Amino acid sequence: GENVEQHPSTLSVQEGDSAVIKCTYSDSASNYFPWYKQELGKGPQLIIDIRSNVGEKKDQRIAVTLNKTAKHFSLHITETQPEDSAVYFCAASDFGNEKLTFGTGTRLTIIP
Amino acid sequence: DTEVTQTPKHLVMGMTNKKSLKCEQHMGHRAMYWYKQKAKKPPELMFVYSYEKLSINESVPSRFSPECPNSSLLNLHLHALQPEDSALYLCASSRTSGVGNEQFFGPGTRLTVL
Repeated sequence: GENVEQHPSTLSVQEGDSAVIKCTYSDSASNYFPWYKQELGKGPQLIIDIRSNVGEKKDQRIAVTLNKTAKHFSLHITETQPEDSAVYFCAASDFGNEKLTFGTGTRLTIIP
Repeated sequence: DTEVTQTPKHLVMGMTNKKSLKCEQHMGHRAMYWYKQKAKKPPELMFVYSYEKLSINESVPSRFSPECPNSSLLNLHLHALQPEDSALYLCASSRTSGVGNEQFFGPGTRLTVL
């Protein structure tokens, strides 16, 4: 089955700086890679996703890059703000599947 | 309405109790999910319902019994739980099952088993 590793487990950045979270996956059949943000006391919320036919996707301050050859994908947050503080989970799966495999999570803290 | 609601928010139960968790969505979604999340861990899939039929059971112990009475409601019946079952239980829904469909999560029920 799929295995997703996520690094780092904790990350602190100064407000206004960029944050990068990295994930690697094991199953070459995986072709869908979402990122979820979980704030304290809330359920995870999808913030961006990428499919394997695309190398990069951007949405305002958030971008995701995918390297299928190396089997890794990354989340980039630019101009970080205090409200970006949360736990971020990457995930991987293939479209024939009903199940997402989540990474272990990254606790991001933005220092004002 | 893009909200998944879950009740109760908190639940404390003894090992001999029977209780139920409830989940509701009015987005017309036909797939609903139960996840278990332990502290500082990612969500773990327990069950998937697709068009009110159970399509995935991730080898969950029988003390957890899911039910999907209609397309808007999802229940999780609990009986004879163990202290290690204490966790945040998350419900989610998506337009249909299958990855690629955004899953909308509820805020969860924090369960404590004494």
